[in-house]
Amino acid sequence: QQKVQQSPESLTVSEGAMASLNCTFSDRSSDNFRWYRQHSGKGLEVLVSIFSDGEKEEGSFTAHLNRASLHVFLHIREPQPSDSALYLCGSAGNKLTFGIGTRVLVRP
Amino acid sequence: EAAVTQSPRNKVAVTGGKVTLSCNQTNNHNNMYWYRQDTGHGLRLIHYSYGAGSTEKGDIPDGYKASRPSQENFSLILELATPSQTSVYFCASGDAGGPNTEVFFGKGTRLTVV
Repeated sequence: QQKVQQSPESLTVSEGAMASLNCTFSDRSSDNFRWYRQHSGKGLEVLVSIFSDGEKEEGSFTAHLNRASLHVFLHIREPQPSDSALYLCGSAGNKLTFGIGTRVLVRP
Repeated sequence: EAAVTQSPRNKVAVTGGKVTLSCNQTNNHNNMYWYRQDTGHGLRLIHYSYGAGSTEKGDIPDGYKASRPSQENFSLILELATPSQTSVYFCASGDAGGPNTEVFFGKGTRLTVV
């Protein structure tokens, strides 16, 4: 059973400063990985999906996958206060498994 | 545009009562999922389905049943609701797997069991 862990649990950054989030998975069986954002009280918004080792950029979000080390990272370039949200990492195989999330606060 | 619609959006139920949460998708996806989200636990998979007529147990299925009568509809059933089932429930639909799999979520149902 795939397990997904995220770190840090919370992160505060200043507006415009790079934010980096980490996701660690327990085995290499998943087909792909994706990052979601969830504003308070809202649904999940997919930010970026990645399947191959390396980087994938979607707007101000870049995912970096390294299957050998069982890590997938999310970098947020020049975050804005509107990027303050819960960020969830998901591992997709036969079923989609999530970490508990990283709560990001972007200060003006 | 991909769409997953959950109903109701909010529900208050009494302990011991039966609750049915409904989910409809217009994406023609084979896979559908039910999750609950609680602080400190993230999103946890309750049941999922590979297609009409199929239901599979997820990671926390106890106290829940699921029904997939058609490609479009997937229901989550609480036969005897308990206060511990107070949570926000999300339905999702997705492709069958592979590198181009996309998964779309509904807006959630807030269930309170009193």
